[in-house]
Amino acid sequence: NAGVTQTPKFRVLKTGQSMTLLCAQDMNHEYMYWYRQDPGMGLRLIHYSVGEGTTAKGEVPDGYNVSRLKKQNFLLGLESAAPSQTSVYFCATFSGGAETQYFGPGTRLLVL
Amino acid sequence: RKEVEQDPGPFNVPEGATVAFNCTYSNSASQSFFWYRQDCRKEPKLLMSVYSSGNEDGRFTAQLNRASQYISLLIRDSKLSDSATYLCVVNRRGGADGLTFGKGTHLIIQP
Repeated sequence: NAGVTQTPKFRVLKTGQSMTLLCAQDMNHEYMYWYRQDPGMGLRLIHYSVGEGTTAKGEVPDGYNVSRLKKQNFLLGLESAAPSQTSVYFCATFSGGAETQYFGPGTRLLVL
Repeated sequence: RKEVEQDPGPFNVPEGATVAFNCTYSNSASQSFFWYRQDCRKEPKLLMSVYSSGNEDGRFTAQLNRASQYISLLIRDSKLSDSATYLCVVNRRGGADGLTFGKGTHLIIQP
């Protein structure tokens, strides 16, 4: 039982390059989330999904796209990376109700 | 007013002391409340849920005051390993758009 996993753990991109971050969960949770965390800013919600085939925008969605083709996977894409997207990205899952969220270990992204 | 507000600290506390953090939230319809712990360069992890009646887990005590819209965390007999950032977290509607996180309070336990 791996819980929530993220790949890659670390990546360096040049401005304008694209990449996809993968979040995978084996907890059968309906809801999945992508956050970014920057110094002094706390966790900010980028996009989320309430189930397979659904996505919705969070607080800071610009520059990112997501897909949830399978219940267990939630992909975060950067089509044209910018230095402002240098951050730590966390994926989280949620079963609903009064339950709490479970986080993946994070992906550190550096955009040069 | 920010949705969830915390004193960022840092709180520098000697080992063995008692330390308390408070957090305020703005949405009176908030339904559930949590304290998370985040170690440097790691993911946030649930420390404890916060119930209206107050709850205790070992050296940690959490309390909720709905009337004043604040949540507290008390750590007794602090250990060096308690050094971390503590995030106050609120589930605003019990709904799908996730939890609202405070920016965290940084705690440093000094030997």
